[in-house]
Amino acid sequence: DAGVIQSPRHEVTEMGQEVTLRCKPISGHDYLFWYRQTMMRGLELLIYFNNNVPIDDSGMPEDRFSAKMPNASFSTLKIQPSEPRDSAVYFCASSSELKVGELFFGEGSRLTVL
Amino acid sequence: GENVEQHPSTLSVQEGDSAVIKCTYSDSASNYFPWYKQELGKRPQLIIDIRSNVGEKKDQRIAVTLNKTAKHFSLHITETQPEDSAVYFCAASRRDGYNKLIFGAGTRLAVHP
Repeated sequence: DAGVIQSPRHEVTEMGQEVTLRCKPISGHDYLFWYRQTMMRGLELLIYFNNNVPIDDSGMPEDRFSAKMPNASFSTLKIQPSEPRDSAVYFCASSSELKVGELFFGEGSRLTVL
Repeated sequence: GENVEQHPSTLSVQEGDSAVIKCTYSDSASNYFPWYKQELGKRPQLIIDIRSNVGEKKDQRIAVTLNKTAKHFSLHITETQPEDSAVYFCAASRRDGYNKLIFGAGTRLAVHP
């Protein structure tokens, strides 16, 4: 398996623009997580899905953020409109019900909002 | 909700010395405690984990201890090597049907040759 695949790896955009981050989890994994990493706040859990259903979105900062998982092999995290304080590395991770808690992270998407 | 605190935020040791990182958690229902290592510019990767029915677990030079009464757990690295230099994150979750992993703030470990 190629592991968790995220795109884009780097994104530079201007304030107010829409940003869409994409994730393909490991095949067969039941859980998918979106984390945001910054120097100030560390690794923050934004939202996670179980079998494509959002379970907990309490970490989503505000209404500008939304996430979807239309099928077992694809998820998106959207920011609209983007702001400079959204600049961070966004990680997608997946895990299996068989080994709950062992997260496999993607390489991350580094977002810079100017 | 769960809150995980991690100390110290930075740790500098000489090669060959031991390093200890400590974490405390707030939710007494948490029962799974993994540790992740993140090298510069890379993704976090699981290095060791412990479950609440075990007090200590070892894997070569790394070990994790858990004290459920005090709600704290620690990572021990012995005979440190320069390649151990990274940011280490502790985390906690509960297994009641919700697989929600909450991370500590991280410890930046520097091992000097």
